[in-house]
Amino acid sequence: KAGVTQTPRYLIKTRGQQVTLSCSPISGHRSVSWYQQTPGQGLQFLFEYFSETQRNKGNFPGRFSGRQFSNSRSEMNVSTLELGDSALYLCASKGGPGRGYEQYFGPGTRLTVT
Amino acid sequence: SQKIEQNSEALNIQEGKTATLTCNYTNYSPAYLQWYRQDPGRGPVFLLLIRENEKEKRKERLKVTFDTTLKQSLFHITASQPADSATYLCALEEGGGADGLTFGKGTHLIIQP
Repeated sequence: KAGVTQTPRYLIKTRGQQVTLSCSPISGHRSVSWYQQTPGQGLQFLFEYFSETQRNKGNFPGRFSGRQFSNSRSEMNVSTLELGDSALYLCASKGGPGRGYEQYFGPGTRLTVT
Repeated sequence: SQKIEQNSEALNIQEGKTATLTCNYTNYSPAYLQWYRQDPGRGPVFLLLIRENEKEKRKERLKVTFDTTLKQSLFHITASQPADSATYLCALEEGGGADGLTFGKGTHLIIQP
């Protein structure tokens, strides 16, 4: 079974630009979550999608948004990039929308904002 | 909101010994507690999940304990090997699955041959 894939793996953007990251979950998984990882804050939850609907959202500004398609693939978008948005963005899928499921993480997208 | 504390300093263990990592949380007990391993430049990999009504869970050389009175989980790796060297993350999942997983910042484990 193929794992979670994320594209692109690396990205360099300039302040003020916007970026879209993509995630394909494990086949059969309909729940996709996004996390931001930085050395200072660690792993922080951004949002979760299940069956094309956002279930939960973390404490991030509205510049961070996402969506999920009917095939469960998900994208996240960051508008008006700031230097502090430089991070590893991780996508994870799991077998259901509720609690108690292990999450399968992708390799991440390393975003650098200059 | 929940705060999770893991030993931020690296833990050096001799090969063959048992490595014990600590995860402390500050507020109410989570419904689930999970442990992940992360290698440099890669996404976390799930290791073990323990429920609030479970005291202990084992998987091969791994063991997790969950003490809701102490608000603490311990993660043990027995017969440690250099290949076990990585960062280990503790994560909590609260009621209803809301707010996703809350992660600690991880403990960097180094197994020396």
